[in-house]
Amino acid sequence: NAGVTQTPKFQVLKTGQSMTLQCAQDMNHEYMSWYRQDPGMGLRLIHYSVGAGITDQGEVPNGYNVSRSTTEDFPLRLLSAAPSQTSVYFCASRPRGVYRPGSSYEQYFGPGTRLTVT
Amino acid sequence: QQQVKQSPQSLIVQKGGIPIINCAYENTAFDYFPWYQQFPGKGPALLIAIRPDVSEKKEGRFTISFNKSAKQFSLHIMDSQPGDSATYFCAASIGSYNTDKLIFGTGTRLQVFP
Repeated sequence: NAGVTQTPKFQVLKTGQSMTLQCAQDMNHEYMSWYRQDPGMGLRLIHYSVGAGITDQGEVPNGYNVSRSTTEDFPLRLLSAAPSQTSVYFCASRPRGVYRPGSSYEQYFGPGTRLTVT
Repeated sequence: QQQVKQSPQSLIVQKGGIPIINCAYENTAFDYFPWYQQFPGKGPALLIAIRPDVSEKKEGRFTISFNKSAKQFSLHIMDSQPGDSATYFCAASIGSYNTDKLIFGTGTRLQVFP
């Protein structure tokens, strides 16, 4: 299994440009998420999906769109890039969990996309 | 507003030392507390996790201590090694088995010198 893959690894955009960050997983995981990581801020949830056709907002959704047409793919769209969106973006996935005491619900993270908006 | 507060921001120890990273939370509805480890240029990876019905969990050299009344939890790394040098994030969530709303701390950069 390739796990969670993200493309591109690096991207530079000008203010106002649009682009799509790609995320794919081959583990048949129902849940997928997008986070951004900024210095001193930790990781913050942008959007997440609990299955194909179902998405919801996280902590910092403004300026980003998502859709989930297949189980495997969860692209993140920036409609009009702003310098405040300069960050490292991580996609994550995990299987749907059934509650069991002591279980860990591990999210598997991709390698990240470093985005710079000038 | 940071719902999970993590300290210290950075930590330097000698090999064999026991670094301790602390996290505090406010929301008593949190019921799942994982720790993630991240190496430079990589995505975070789950290290160990705990639920509030236990006060301690050990996995190898890594231990989580949990104090429900104080709303605090901490990561201890026994016999630390240079290979443990990484950034560590605590996190918390509610009903983690059916949601992905993990709230992360701000991270602690650990350096272990030989």
